[in-house]
Amino acid sequence: AQRVTQPEKLLSVFKGAPVELKCNYSYSGSPELFWYVQYSRQRLQLLLRHISRESIKGFTADLNKGETSFHLKKPFAQEEDSAMYYCALNGGGADGLTFGKGTHLIIQP
Amino acid sequence: DTEVTQTPKHLVMGMTNKKSLKCEQHMGHRAMYWYKQKAKKPPELMFVYSYEKLSINESVPSRFSPECPNSSLLNLHLHALQPEDSALYLCASSRFSALPGNTIYFGEGSWLTVV
Repeated sequence: AQRVTQPEKLLSVFKGAPVELKCNYSYSGSPELFWYVQYSRQRLQLLLRHISRESIKGFTADLNKGETSFHLKKPFAQEEDSAMYYCALNGGGADGLTFGKGTHLIIQP
Repeated sequence: DTEVTQTPKHLVMGMTNKKSLKCEQHMGHRAMYWYKQKAKKPPELMFVYSYEKLSINESVPSRFSPECPNSSLLNLHLHALQPEDSALYLCASSRFSALPGNTIYFGEGSWLTVV
């Protein structure tokens, strides 16, 4: 069974501080990992996917297969980063994405 | 264009009403999904359509009835809903449903309130 764990329900950091949102997964094969962001009352937007190795809005995430982690990082948080962040796994089966419970990131001025 | 369009954006319905949520995409995607999302919770998968055929039904009550008229459209018919069905209903699509690297794109959602 595939599972995604985001241990922090809420993360509050000051503007300009580094941010790390944790994500661990459980999957027997080679998963595809994604980060989605949802700003207040807006659509769920794809932020990053591990296969593209991009940096979007200053965020990066590296898949660590040894630690089964896909943590999301940004060196300097900005107020507009405040949102819900969901880590998600696509195991390649026909059942869409498995989401973590989400982390509510609050950036304080 | 990576857009999934959902209508209506907001819907208030009584428990005896019949209504429908609509979803459209023109990205040539062959998999379409319905998710339900409660406040501050992750989306929960309801249905998956692959090549216009229902491939997954995650034990959703029969008061929710999906329909995929063609590869670009997905409907969710609602009948005799309960107040606890009030939620954000998200439509999503992807190129295929069962391949790795399959990015899923979400619509803005339809906010449903059952009174």
